Amino acid sequence: GEDVEQSLFLSVREGDSSVINCTYTDSSSTYLYWYKQEPGAGLQLLTYIFSNMDMKQDQRLTVLLNKKDKHLSLRIADTQTGDSAIYFCAAISGGYQKVTFGTGTKLQVIP
Amino acid sequence: DSGVTQTPKHLITATGQRVTLRCSPRSGDLSVYWYQQSLDQGLQFLIQYYNGEERAKGNILERFSAQQFPDLHSELNLSSLELGDSALYFCASSVGDTPKEQYFGPGTRLTVT
Repeated sequence: GEDVEQSLFLSVREGDSSVINCTYTDSSSTYLYWYKQEPGAGLQLLTYIFSNMDMKQDQRLTVLLNKKDKHLSLRIADTQTGDSAIYFCAAISGGYQKVTFGTGTKLQVIP
Repeated sequence: DSGVTQTPKHLITATGQRVTLRCSPRSGDLSVYWYQQSLDQGLQFLIQYYNGEERAKGNILERFSAQQFPDLHSELNLSSLELGDSALYFCASSVGDTPKEQYFGPGTRLTVT
């Protein structure tokens, strides 16, 4: 089945850009997602990209997809302390269209 | 606020017991998904219901079962509870029968003692 991998931790200074990376294994994945989870809360859908796209921009968020390398990244411009959270990458694949989540990357923003 | 509600927020119970978690999807959403989030297993998909019918099954144990009612709310039943079942259980909903755009509830934290 699908396997989605992320690094566990990222620390950046307020105002810098953050780049969170993710790799997946199933080349037939159709949609790839980024979710944000703040402490004690559920997952918030941030953005998603269809597999026939290379890039998607939404205000401070830029998603890049490299299908050849099965690599997805999320860039947050002008990172703020409110961006501190765990970010999950996820992929939909398979006949049943199941979602597989990565382990999550904890983003720490230093003031 | 995603519009998905889950009750209860917290649940503490003993090993061997049975509990029921409840989820109400966003208005207009026909699919409900259940996920388990634990420190060692991460976020795992359990099961999906679409308009009352089971649609997809993930890593759901035989001790666990779910259903979706005519009013589209869903319940996840966990029985013969073990210490390892302690986790956050999330419900999510989507309009259609694929998880293309899912919205998550705040979760139910289950502690088995």
